[in-house]
Amino acid sequence: RKEVEQDPGPFNVPEGATVAFNCTYSNSASQSFFWYRQDCRKEPKLLMSVYSSGNEDGRFTAQLNRASQYISLLIRDSKLSDSATYLCVVKRGGGSYIPTFGRGTSLIVHP
Amino acid sequence: EAGVVQSPRYKIIEKKQPVAFWCNPISGHNTLYWYRQNLGQGPELLIRYENEEAVDDSQLPKDRFSAERLKGVDSTLKIQPAELGDSAVYLCASSLDRGSYQETQYFGPGTRLLVL
Repeated sequence: RKEVEQDPGPFNVPEGATVAFNCTYSNSASQSFFWYRQDCRKEPKLLMSVYSSGNEDGRFTAQLNRASQYISLLIRDSKLSDSATYLCVVKRGGGSYIPTFGRGTSLIVHP
Repeated sequence: EAGVVQSPRYKIIEKKQPVAFWCNPISGHNTLYWYRQNLGQGPELLIRYENEEAVDDSQLPKDRFSAERLKGVDSTLKIQPAELGDSAVYLCASSLDRGSYQETQYFGPGTRLLVL
């Protein structure tokens, strides 16, 4: 089993739709969690960190479920510009915070 | 503020040839990462530096890959000799780690390597 797993998609949704992605992780010692966005042929960029209490940034909401070992990303009112690959990142603890990326979930928002 | 700088942006070489990639992190960032990203996959960590010290290189294929970060600033990743399977995007990232696991990584644009 991979340490961080994501459904590669693609998720194909119309503008204005709400879409949600999950990311599961296998290491219960994981300490921190992030969502990155990667546009085609570009570098990954931080979208948001994921906090235990959940957090929201505009149309984006991230949640962490430690008991079931997954994080989620919810996008409301999808825009064409949201089309990208969304990468889940999990950092292990233990004094050396090794980041592990999922393979990413592809989102296509169409008119 | 300047971001992470990488060069070259593209490289095409024949197999068995050597190749080197250069990265200059964001000024003041003490931690530097090299990743390899294959098509349709997420970045895979090759090596992580804290200042000059390589603190995690378990994923670096040491028979052909080497890296250095002299003076704790810029870094070079080398492949010698290159194999067809090394074709990928090589990403450099940096972060200002102050002991918190929430530190953000900032990525450079990557070097796209094609081995023929």
